[in-house]
Amino acid sequence: DTAVSQTPKYLVTQMGNDKSIKCEQNLGHDTMYWYKQDSKKFLKIMFSYNNKELIINETVPNRFSPKSPDKAHLNLHINSLELGDSAVYFCASSLKRTGDLFFGSGTQLSVL
Amino acid sequence: GQQLNQSPQSMFIQEGEDVSMNCTSSSIFNTWLWYKQDPGEGPVLLIALYKAGELTSNGRLTAQFGITRKDSFLNISASIPSDVGIYFCARYAGGTSYGKLTFGQGTILTVHP
Repeated sequence: DTAVSQTPKYLVTQMGNDKSIKCEQNLGHDTMYWYKQDSKKFLKIMFSYNNKELIINETVPNRFSPKSPDKAHLNLHINSLELGDSAVYFCASSLKRTGDLFFGSGTQLSVL
Repeated sequence: GQQLNQSPQSMFIQEGEDVSMNCTSSSIFNTWLWYKQDPGEGPVLLIALYKAGELTSNGRLTAQFGITRKDSFLNISASIPSDVGIYFCARYAGGTSYGKLTFGQGTILTVHP
């Protein structure tokens, strides 16, 4: 009964490829997020969606395109992967306007 | 920018010791949050603080929201091996930011049995 589940857990790919990460939450939350954690463990928000509507886009390159087909799902598609995209990507969800985020267990992306 | 300065960066302690870490900012905040990240997992909320001066406990964990609203500390008493992980302070931006969290750099805690 995982609250926020994201797949895959590990993703190893070549530079220039396109890849997707899927995220689903079964908590009934209104808001979903993508966070990026770099090699120094620093966590930074990329996007947030509220009821399928994009709310925050933190100057992320447009090679990153989030898609929310419904409020329980927020997928992340990345085009033309670069070495610098290697990181752990976390999906999260929350009730609207709270700081209590529930995070998935992360997707470790390695671009070779 | 709205930087959070968290210290120390890492701590190596013996089981049973008490631990203290803190977070400061140049800006005033309305909410301080403390998260813990276990290896290979996402962060989990430990304690949320909403008022200046507020002191809140969660088991062996105690956190306080500084009176100036620019700082917070987290204490762990009588540490055990499962306390190992990365502890993050975070600031919550409400209003139209819909739960945007700005995280500190993290404190890596290692507990030796």
